[in-house]
Amino acid sequence: RKEVEQDPGPFNVPEGATVAFNCTYSNSASQSFFWYRQDCRKEPKLLMSVYSSGNEDGRFTAQLNRASQYISLLIRDSKLSDSATYLCVGVKTSYDKVIFGPGTSLSVIP
Amino acid sequence: GAVVSQHPSRVICKSGTSVKIECRSLDFQATTMFWYRQFPKQSLMLMATSNEGSKATYEQGVEKDKFLINHASLTLSTLTVTSAHPEDSSFYICSARGFGREDYGYTFGSGTRLTVV
Repeated sequence: RKEVEQDPGPFNVPEGATVAFNCTYSNSASQSFFWYRQDCRKEPKLLMSVYSSGNEDGRFTAQLNRASQYISLLIRDSKLSDSATYLCVGVKTSYDKVIFGPGTSLSVIP
Repeated sequence: GAVVSQHPSRVICKSGTSVKIECRSLDFQATTMFWYRQFPKQSLMLMATSNEGSKATYEQGVEKDKFLINHASLTLSTLTVTSAHPEDSSFYICSARGFGREDYGYTFGSGTRLTVV
């Protein structure tokens, strides 16, 4: 089993829709988690950190459920500019190893 | 915020030649630099981790003699692809974790698209 897994999609949603991504991790994987966004042929950029208490930034909400070993990202009121690949990332802080999920592709349609 | 400058952004080279990619941290000290490779429609795969002043740690399956990493200073790390072959064509990205950062937000270079012909 891969250490960090995601549904690759693609998710095709209309503008204004709410979309949710999930990411699961293995027990031995990571201690800190993040969501990154990667546009086509560009480098990944940090979207937000993920905490057990939840983290909200505008239209984006991230949540970590350690008991069930999954991370979620909720995007409300989708914009065309939200179209990208969203990467779930875990960090093994004990020895600073960063593990990327395969990414989930989102296309927001007019 | 923290910026990592990566050069070149794009390079085309002949098979058998070597290519050097540079990553510089512009406003922070990068004690650790990570090098990734990404093939089309695939995820980022960690190739190696370099620490300033010491040998890099390579992931399983990555040839250390082919992908030479030098992290001679706190602001510069280089990756040299030696004797490049067409199968080395990929998107190479570096990432740095600055000294003393507590939120573990990793900053990425803009990437280098290598095409070996």
